Amino acid sequence: KQEVTQIPAALSVPEGENLVLNCSFTDSAIYNLQWFRQDPGKGLTSLLLIQSSQREQTSGRLNASLDKSSGRSTLYIAASQPGDSATYLCAVSPSGSARQLTFGSGTQLTVLP
Amino acid sequence: NAGVTQTPKFRVLKTGQSMTLLCAQDMNHEYMYWYRQDPGMGLRLIHYSVGEGTTAKGEVPDGYNVSRLKKQNFLLGLESAAPSQTSVYFCASRPNLMVGSNQPQHFGDGTRLSIL
Repeated sequence: KQEVTQIPAALSVPEGENLVLNCSFTDSAIYNLQWFRQDPGKGLTSLLLIQSSQREQTSGRLNASLDKSSGRSTLYIAASQPGDSATYLCAVSPSGSARQLTFGSGTQLTVLP
Repeated sequence: NAGVTQTPKFRVLKTGQSMTLLCAQDMNHEYMYWYRQDPGMGLRLIHYSVGEGTTAKGEVPDGYNVSRLKKQNFLLGLESAAPSQTSVYFCASRPNLMVGSNQPQHFGDGTRLSIL
C-alpha cells in the first residue's frame, strides 16, 4: 500500500525567505506526483504536476523536483510572501488507469510579514 | 466557468439519518472522485468513477454508496450516518486518459459534515 509522508507538519518563516517542503512515498511505481495548495475552508488548487519521467517542474516562484528511485519530492518556494501562507499537500498517482491520488497529510506554511 | 460544484456546503446530521452529497462538474470530465479529509490527515479516497454508469471502491468505502447516472454528476450517499463520518468531503474530476494522461484533478470547495 502506498504511503505518503510530508515533513514538517508545520513551518513558520519570515517574509522573503526561500524554503523547501518535503514529500516522501513508499512505492516508487508512480505515474505522476502533484503538489496542491489548500487555503482554510477551501478546496485544493493544483500547483505543479511532475510526470514520473520528469525530474522537475517550475511555475513562477515554485519549483518541484522528483527523485522517483528514492521516493522523494521537494517543493521549493522562492522569496516567500505572506500570501503563500496555506497548507501544501503532495499526492502520488499510481500507474493504474483510474489515476486516483494518495495524499500526504500536508505541511501548514505560515509566512510572517 | 463553475468547475466542480459541491452541495451542500455545510450540514449537521443526527446519528442514523441519511443524506446525499451532490457533486457537479461542467468540464465534461470522465473521471470523478470522492475524498474525505480528517484533521491532521491527508485526503482519503472513498469511491470513484471512470465514466457514466460506473463506480468503484477506494480506500475507505464502508458506510458510503455512490451513483453516476449522469456524466456531470457524482452522488455520495450516507444511508445511516455515524459520528465517525464527521469530516470534510471533497469531490474531484479529471479528463479521461485519451485527453491527457497527466491532467491534474480539479477539486470542489468541500462539504463540511457533522454527525451528532
